[in-house]
Amino acid sequence: DSGVTQTPKHLITATGQRVTLRCSPRSGDLSVYWYQQSLDQGLQFLIQYYNGEERAKGNILERFSAQQFPDLHSELNLSSLELGDSALYFCASSVRLGSETQYFGPGTRLLVL
Amino acid sequence: GESVGLHLPTLSVQEGDNSIINCAYSNSASDYFIWYKQESGKGPQFIIDIRSNMDKRQGQRVTVLLNKTVKHLSLQIAATQPGDSAVYFCAETLLADKLIFGTGTRLQVFP
Repeated sequence: DSGVTQTPKHLITATGQRVTLRCSPRSGDLSVYWYQQSLDQGLQFLIQYYNGEERAKGNILERFSAQQFPDLHSELNLSSLELGDSALYFCASSVRLGSETQYFGPGTRLLVL
Repeated sequence: GESVGLHLPTLSVQEGDNSIINCAYSNSASDYFIWYKQESGKGPQFIIDIRSNMDKRQGQRVTVLLNKTVKHLSLQIAATQPGDSAVYFCAETLLADKLIFGTGTRLQVFP
């Protein structure tokens, strides 16, 4: 158990819908990262937050957004969902900024029908 | 169910043998490298890390080797066990920016 929690574990929804994925980092970690893992593309970085502020953006679609709250939990919002958004979404956390280990949560499996 | 790509390179080893998983990284300026293990349906799990000022680091049954000249990283697992079966990813980062993951290698351990 990494100490990072994610909810829900599974999510099934329809195209065009909007969903929110939630992540709680390890106690004391200030940085939160979101990754998408699909069958044909491996793990792709989406976005990073540090202490409530956006720090880095990766291949995140405009239909997707995220935020980190004062209690340091983070939410990833996915809207106007398409079939191709079906994937595993992982959250990771680390203590601070700096080259260091990121610890991953168990992921949310999203299926868009 | 499987959580990673179906066309990963696969390494098959016999239980008790040593395993060597290789990774070519992309950025010669990357300063930190991590090996992760991902079991089916689970999140990546940290195994071992190494900074760019080192060329070797040992953990329990695992060793990571870094060759910056050719941008190559390897993970050696001693006395491979059935529980080591998983997909292994190397990841690189520069100044704590995003992790860039390799494509992964599936390790299969047979008795």
